[in-house]
Amino acid sequence: KAGVTQTPRYLIKTRGQQVTLSCSPISGHRSVSWYQQTPGQGLQFLFEYFSETQRNKGNFPGRFSGRQFSNSRSEMNVSTLELGDSALYLCASSRDNYGYTFGSGTRLTVV
Amino acid sequence: SQQGEEDPQALSIQEGENATMNCSYKTSINNLQWYRQNSGRGLVHLILIRSNEREKHSGRLRVTLDTSKKSSSLLITASRAADTASYFCATDDSDSNYQLIWGAGTKLIIKP
Repeated sequence: KAGVTQTPRYLIKTRGQQVTLSCSPISGHRSVSWYQQTPGQGLQFLFEYFSETQRNKGNFPGRFSGRQFSNSRSEMNVSTLELGDSALYLCASSRDNYGYTFGSGTRLTVV
Repeated sequence: SQQGEEDPQALSIQEGENATMNCSYKTSINNLQWYRQNSGRGLVHLILIRSNEREKHSGRLRVTLDTSKKSSSLLITASRAADTASYFCATDDSDSNYQLIWGAGTKLIIKP
């Protein structure tokens, strides 16, 4: 079966711009989570969606937002990019929140 | 925020040897999961152990969980070059509300 697909794989943006990242979960998985990974902070939770509802949000500023569509695909948006937003953004899907399947990530570089 | 710590931060062993990594956490948990990550790519789920389990096996992997010490270990037996990766533990605690809380990871290098 197809895995979790994240697009794009790589992205370079300028400070102040905004960016939208996309995640297509495994068919049948209704939970989609987003994580940010940086060398300094490690893996940090951004948000989790289930059936188009955000069930939890991590400790990130309001510039980070997300949504989930009726087909379970999810997007996350970062507005007014800062240099510190450079990171690997990982999306994970789960059927029942026991064990997650991750995508390959989107590596965002802010210059 | 990170739940706990992993020990060691880095481990280098010869192919064929066993590798043991440890993870400590802070809160009561529902389950603990181990993941592998190759070269900053996506994470691969290895094994999940529930809070009422003490040991679990999957192929060359053996995971133990000691809830009294709030710690877990991951043993990889008969290591192979392909096991070279970073290994992370993640906990799903009763208060986490659908999020995993991660350790800092152990970087494992298998020398041929």
